[in-house]
Amino acid sequence: GQQVQQSPASLVLQEGENAELQCNFSSTATRLQWFYQHPGGRLVSLFYNPSGTKHTGRLTSTTVTNERRSSLHISSSQTTDSGTYFCAIVADSNYQLIWGSGTKLIIKP
Amino acid sequence: NTKITQSPRYLILGRANKSLECEQHLGHNAMYWYKQSAEKPPELMFLYNLKQLIRNETVPSRFIPECPDSSKLLLHISAVDPEDSAVYFCASSQGRSNERLFFGHGTKLSVL
Repeated sequence: GQQVQQSPASLVLQEGENAELQCNFSSTATRLQWFYQHPGGRLVSLFYNPSGTKHTGRLTSTTVTNERRSSLHISSSQTTDSGTYFCAIVADSNYQLIWGSGTKLIIKP
Repeated sequence: NTKITQSPRYLILGRANKSLECEQHLGHNAMYWYKQSAEKPPELMFLYNLKQLIRNETVPSRFIPECPDSSKLLLHISAVDPEDSAVYFCASSQGRSNERLFFGHGTKLSVL
């Protein structure tokens, strides 16, 4: 079946550094999404990005569908960026979301 | 974000019956229940599209979903088990293909 792999599993940075999160998937038909989970548990949709590049604030998502990968770039990281970042794709067979295991990001002051 | 509201926020149960509630104010057609255990991604439990249950994952029969109208979703739980301790999220999307999911705050269930 389709799979999603995220790397790194965890990342610790100093405030102000840039973060690069990777997502690789096994299918070219993705309807890929990036989610952010606050340390307190709240889940937020960051990007719906099946292909190309999207920006919002300090966040940039780039999906290269034929290479089966997506990245999430966080520039000038802040402590409030700490949390877990998930990518997910839509399965072709049943439209169910297939989630990666997440990248836990810790930004130190 | 108050566009998807869930209640209660926290729930501590013994072997009791309880219902979780969710309401979305986004005009979406699809609503979902997800279960998230610690340090894991969310797992889909149920999906409703236009009030019709179209995806019923292999969850224990003690979990019964209900969709009284297209903006509301309930999850009835009977005789909970310790393995049910988790956070239960309600989510919605415009269509049933999971495009751009929006989540509620979640209900943290702790089973004694």
